[in-house]
Amino acid sequence: ETAVFQTPNYHVTQVGNEVSFNCKQTLGHDTMYWYKQDSKKLLKIMFSYNNKQLIVNETVPRRFSPQSSDKAHLNLRIKSVEPEDSAVYLCASSLTGVDTQYFGPGTRLLVL
Amino acid sequence: QQKVQQSPESLIVPEGGMASLNCTSSDRNVDYFWWYRQHSGKSPKMLMSIFSNGEKEEGRFTVHLNKASLHTSLHIRDSQPSDSALYLCAARASSGSWQLIFGSGTQLTVMP
Repeated sequence: ETAVFQTPNYHVTQVGNEVSFNCKQTLGHDTMYWYKQDSKKLLKIMFSYNNKQLIVNETVPRRFSPQSSDKAHLNLRIKSVEPEDSAVYLCASSLTGVDTQYFGPGTRLLVL
Repeated sequence: QQKVQQSPESLIVPEGGMASLNCTSSDRNVDYFWWYRQHSGKSPKMLMSIFSNGEKEEGRFTVHLNKASLHTSLHIRDSQPSDSALYLCAARASSGSWQLIFGSGTQLTVMP
């Protein structure tokens, strides 16, 4: 099956903890993205990677960092979570940086 | 200031009716629009894309684009309860980072 896969589906943690989310795509795409979808359903881009090169890095807090081992994987690490980090984190990929983006199922994060 | 504005915020139509959703970009550099549909608890799925002036039809879905006014609209005829979802409009700038900017969405409810 070719798609975008994310793990975990859901994660609950305490303020100050570190969390990592995984994303893998089997579509053969060159570009991957991380989005944050808040409680109002607004989608905001956080990072995008093209062949392990960071091409867009929005003004996200420094506690967030993307990690990529190859063009099929893009993980997201949050060093010390805060309550406002509670959201759904969506990974996406596209053939190139200008093509249609395909989304994974998302990881819902709840910070207590 | 949200660069991609969608209206209405929510829309209720009867089964079999026509749903019309609007999207306008305030960024003159935008050259491509996508419409995504997101069912509750799911990830966004691409419905249609358009970059040329005019109209594009796929089954019950029709997209219009007016490049001069940077306005696109999505029309769903013979609406079904399964069409009930959040509809997201995304615009891509023709220069710079090529990132997608999403609107805040229109929540469509189709009443049986």
